[in-house]
Amino acid sequence: QKEVEQDPGPLSVPEGAIVSLNCTYSNSAFQYFMWYRQYSRKGPELLMYTYSSGNKEDGRFTAQVDKSSKYISLFIRDSQPSDSATYLCAMSVNPGGYQKVTFGTGTKLQVIP
Amino acid sequence: KAGVTQTPRYLIKTRGQQVTLSCSPISGHRSVSWYQQTPGQGLQFLFEYFSETQRNKGNFPGRFSGRQFSNSRSEMNVSTLELGDSALYLCASSTGQGSDEQYFGPGTRLTVT
Repeated sequence: QKEVEQDPGPLSVPEGAIVSLNCTYSNSAFQYFMWYRQYSRKGPELLMYTYSSGNKEDGRFTAQVDKSSKYISLFIRDSQPSDSATYLCAMSVNPGGYQKVTFGTGTKLQVIP
Repeated sequence: KAGVTQTPRYLIKTRGQQVTLSCSPISGHRSVSWYQQTPGQGLQFLFEYFSETQRNKGNFPGRFSGRQFSNSRSEMNVSTLELGDSALYLCASSTGQGSDEQYFGPGTRLTVT
């Protein structure tokens, strides 16, 4: 079993829809949670970075962490065609002041105009 | 501030050969991490260098090695290439302190024939 599980999709939604992307994890030592967006032929770019359980909002994006259920989500409101990309969740334990990040395999999202 | 740069962007090698990839981190960043990305396995952590020392290592064979120079630039070497080494190799830089964020380069696409 992988430490981080993520549905690969693809997920296809109409423009303006609310998108929900999810990851589950098995390692309770994970403390830091991230969402990355990766466009085709590009490196991942950091979207959201959270530490504690609860919600964190940034514009149209909301990251949600539930440590008790070992479940994290990314919500995208008013989705746009430019949001079409692969979304990667990532987590780290941060042992001793440095981090080894574990990634999900990514969910491919397509927003249809 | 310039982003993370990786050279070359594309490489084609044959089985048995070796390859060296280069990564220049964001100015002021002392940590460089390397990842292998494939469609089936997603992003997998190779190793992290901080101040010229390897701090973290993933579960890859010894054919994969790296180093970091005093200016924080890093190189990754793969010897005795196998077909399965075909992947996108990404490096990410960070300050290397605590829970800081990683910033990815565009990657080097390696094809082994």
